[in-house]
Amino acid sequence: DAGVTQSPTHLIKTRGQQVTLRCSPKSGHDTVSWYQQALGQGPQFIFQYYEEEERQRGNFPDRFSGHQFPNYSSELNVNALLLGDSALYLCASSVRDRSFNYGYTFGSGTRLTVV
Amino acid sequence: AQTVTQSQPEMSVQEAETVTLSCTYDTSESDYYLFWYKQPPSRQMILVIRQEAYKQQNATENRFSVNFQKAAKSFSLKISDSQLGDAAMYFCAYRSGRSGGSNYKLTFGKGTLLTVNP
Repeated sequence: DAGVTQSPTHLIKTRGQQVTLRCSPKSGHDTVSWYQQALGQGPQFIFQYYEEEERQRGNFPDRFSGHQFPNYSSELNVNALLLGDSALYLCASSVRDRSFNYGYTFGSGTRLTVV
Repeated sequence: AQTVTQSQPEMSVQEAETVTLSCTYDTSESDYYLFWYKQPPSRQMILVIRQEAYKQQNATENRFSVNFQKAAKSFSLKISDSQLGDAAMYFCAYRSGRSGGSNYKLTFGKGTLLTVNP
């Protein structure tokens, strides 16, 4: 049973560019959350998608947007990249309303470097 | 807003010994969940152990156990018989127990880097 798959693994972008990160959730999971993990820090919640809608959002600007597809996979888009957006972006999937019992499954992340 | 604090940026332990990682949190809620995650160099967050706040009994998973002190808002992780494979970043995380709204997110601490010495 495949876990959470994220692509690409690594990415280098220039300031001002736009980037799209992708996540395929664990089989049977319907909810996808995105987290930003700066070097040496804990992950920070960006937003969560369920039923193809953004359900919750953390303290991130509108430059960060996302999408969830009917197959539950998700994309994270970041526009007008800043140097401070350099981080590890983690995707976590879960089952809505059962995330404690079923747990959150994390991917290995996408390492984004903005130069 | 809930906050999670891990006051030990780094810890080290000898192989086969026991180590305790500290975590405190701040919340006004009575119903919530607490987690310990392990992040090895492979970067994937791996669930180590979880605790429901309404359960007074401390959770255990093989060599891993917690000391949950609800009144003190403390949730420490004890690793017994430490192994080289336990070396990793350890994160404490909080999730509200309420359903709906903004209650499904995990709030993480800054982490503790555990080194296991042979």
